[in-house]
Formats: sequence, C-alpha cells, structure tokens
Amino acid sequence: AQKITQTQPGMFVQEKEAVTLDCTYDTSDPSYGLFWYKQPSSGEMIFLIYQGSYDQQNATEGRYSLNFQKARKSANLVISASQLGDSAMYFCAMSLTYGQNFVFGPGTRLSVLP
Amino acid sequence: DSGVTQTPKHLITATGQRVTLRCSPRSGDLSVYWYQQSLDQGLQFLIHYYNGEERAKGNILERFSAQQFPDLHSELNLSSLELGDSALYFCASSASEDGKRGYTFGSGTRLTVV
Repeated sequence: AQKITQTQPGMFVQEKEAVTLDCTYDTSDPSYGLFWYKQPSSGEMIFLIYQGSYDQQNATEGRYSLNFQKARKSANLVISASQLGDSAMYFCAMSLTYGQNFVFGPGTRLSVLP
Repeated sequence: DSGVTQTPKHLITATGQRVTLRCSPRSGDLSVYWYQQSLDQGLQFLIHYYNGEERAKGNILERFSAQQFPDLHSELNLSSLELGDSALYFCASSASEDGKRGYTFGSGTRLTVV
C-alpha cells in the first residue's frame, strides 16, 4: 500500500531563510505524482507544486522547489526566502494512476519567525 | 477564491441526523474528489467522480454516499451521523481524470455533530 511519511511535526525558520520540509513515500507503482499543499490557519488547501515520477528535472514554482530523489523515494519541499505568510501546515501527497489512492502525509507545521 | 465552491461553510447537527454537503467544481473541471480531515485521522480520501461516474472509493463509510450531477456539481450525503463524523470536509476538482497535475480545493465544510 502506498504511504506518505512526513517526519517533522513542526519546524521553525527565521524570516528570509530557506527551509526544507521532508517527505518520503512508498509505492510499487512506477507511475505516480507527488504534490505539496499548504493549509493556512484559515483552513483552505492551496496547491503548491507537482512532480511526476518520470519528470527528469526537479519541479520549481517561484520560491518553492521540490527536491526529488527517486531512488530514495523522497520529495522534499524547499522554500526559499521564507516569509511570515508561509506559516502554515504543509502536506505532501501522492497520487497513482487515475488519481486513485491519493494519499496525504500527516503534515508539517511551519512557523516563520520574524 | 479557488473557483471550487462548497456550501455550507459550517454545519452543526445532532447525532442520528442526515446532512448534504454541496460542491461546485472549478469551471471546466470534470473530476470531483471528496476528503475528510479530522484531527486524529488527517486527510482521508473518500471518493472520486469524473464526469458523473464514480471512479474510485477510499475510506468512505457505508453511511456516506455521494454523486455528481450532469452539471458537474457534487453532493456528499452523510447519514446516521455520529460524534466521530465531526470534521472538515473538502471537495477538490481537477481538469483531468487522473488528477496528476494537482487538485484545486474548496474552502471546506466544517461539520460539527453534537
């Protein structure tokens, strides 16, 4: 069965510094997608970044980049130049063929300090 | 505004009752997904519809049912409600059937069963 692990329940980072949120996954399916979502205290889920299992390059979206290491089955999110508005819960997620078994990790709560 | 509309935003009801949660997907999106987010279970995938047809089922109880209508809006019906059903229920939509490029989430319906 597929599983997402996020080993950091909480993280602190100083404003303007970079931070890495860890995510490891487990699946035997060769075709999958990896996602990161942000959930601020207001509750909505915001899509941040996507990485396909066959993508050759690491995904980047503005200040977000995904450090994809396929052999290690890790998909860490890197946020550069942290801002106070980045304080939120961050979820790593994975989907398999046809969006089935779209599973989320337990999340990491990031707090950005001024 | 993500483009995915969920109503109502908040719902308080008694045990044993039945409620209906509504979701209108983003314009042009054919896929609708339902998720339950509770404190102890995290984000759980419930069910996926694509263009009116059920595509995948996750951890959805038999007391729960859903459907997607011809106009693509979806409803999640929860019956014989229990205290443990209190949670935030998210709807998400995607343009593709496989959802591999990510989902757009609604702001959720917070259900409180008393």
